[in-house]
Formats: sequence, structure tokens, C-alpha cells
Amino acid sequence: NAGVTQTPKFQVLKTGQSMTLQCAQDMNHEYMSWYRQDPGMGLRLIHYSVGAGITDQGEVPNGYNVSRSTTEDFPLRLLSAAPSQTSVYFCASSYDYNRFTDTQYFGPGTRLTVL
Amino acid sequence: SQQGEEDPQALSIQEGENATMNCSYKTSINNLQWYRQNSGRGLVHLILIRSNEREKHSGRLRVTLDTSKKSSSLLITASRAADTASYFCANSQGGSEKLVFGKGTKLTVNP
Repeated sequence: NAGVTQTPKFQVLKTGQSMTLQCAQDMNHEYMSWYRQDPGMGLRLIHYSVGAGITDQGEVPNGYNVSRSTTEDFPLRLLSAAPSQTSVYFCASSYDYNRFTDTQYFGPGTRLTVL
Repeated sequence: SQQGEEDPQALSIQEGENATMNCSYKTSINNLQWYRQNSGRGLVHLILIRSNEREKHSGRLRVTLDTSKKSSSLLITASRAADTASYFCANSQGGSEKLVFGKGTKLTVNP
């Protein structure tokens, strides 16, 4: 299994541009989530999904959209990039949210810079 | 914020010494997890301890949980240079679908 994959690894955007960060997992996990990691802030939850067709907001959802049309994929869209969205973005998945947030498997991250 | 808090923020020790990191949280939990992050990489799950457990071991790792004090500790025994990383605790709160991470402890093990 490839586990959780994320593309791209690095991205530079100009303010106002839009883009999609890709996340895919091949472990048939129900639960997927997006975090951002900023220095001194730890990881903060952006959006999460407990299954295909179901998404919900986390702690810092503003400026981001998600969709979950398949079990495998959970893309994160930046609608109009702002410098405050400069961060490292991690996608994670786990088998079953009913196990009350079971072990999370993390992707390698996308380092995004917004100029 | 619902985040847990790790203590200390940074820890520097010599190879062979033990490293202890602490985590405090604010509300009742279902479980508490510890993760490791090497520089520039994603997080890797280390150990999960449920709210009805008090201690758990995995290799050189020992985790304790005190629900009355809302705190957990991670002990790494006989540390190695390869243990150099940031360590995060994460907790799952009652009825929640979310996992909340702390800000992490940066551990440096000097050869």
C-alpha cells in the first residue's frame, strides 16, 4: 500500500490565486482530515470527513473548501489564497471514526507559500 | 482552544538518558495518542492509551494517563540520536469525531 499520498510537495502561489491540494489513501479508510501546521501552533484541524459524501468543519475552515466524492480522495481547495494561508498542510486518514479517532495515518505534507 | 499542551516545549538530552514529556488537556477524553514528527516529515503514530487505562508500554516507550489530573506523560528510555524529533499528544473528546493536537515538544538527543 502507498498509504496516504499528497501532491504537490511544494507550491508557491500569488495572493488571490486558487488551487487544490490533493490527498489520496489506498487503505479503504472512512475518516479523512486536513490539518495545517504553523510554527508554535501545532496542528489545527481544517476540515474532516467521516465517509464519502460527508464533510464537516474543523477549527480553522475559513478560506478552504473540501469534498469527498470517493472513499479514496479528499482534495482541499483554496478559493482565493492569502499570505495567512502560508503553512504546511497535512492530510490524514483513519479506519473508522466510530473508534473515536483511531490511529491517524499522515501524508508527507504540502508546503505552501502565498506571496 | 481545545488543544492539549505539551511540556516542555523543548528538551535536550544526551544519548542514553531518559526523556520525559508531559501533556495536559482540558476536557474528558476517550483516548489520548502520542505522535512523532521528524523534521520536514508527516506525523507517525506511536501509541494510543484509552481513558480506562493508566499505563501502556511499547518498546522503549512508556505512556501514563492520569484522568483525574487531565494529564499524560511519554517516557522514552535509553534515548538514541534517532529519537530526535518533535512529539505531539492528541486527544479525542467524548462524542467528538475530531482529534485535537497539542503544540508539541521538540526533543534533541545529542550523540
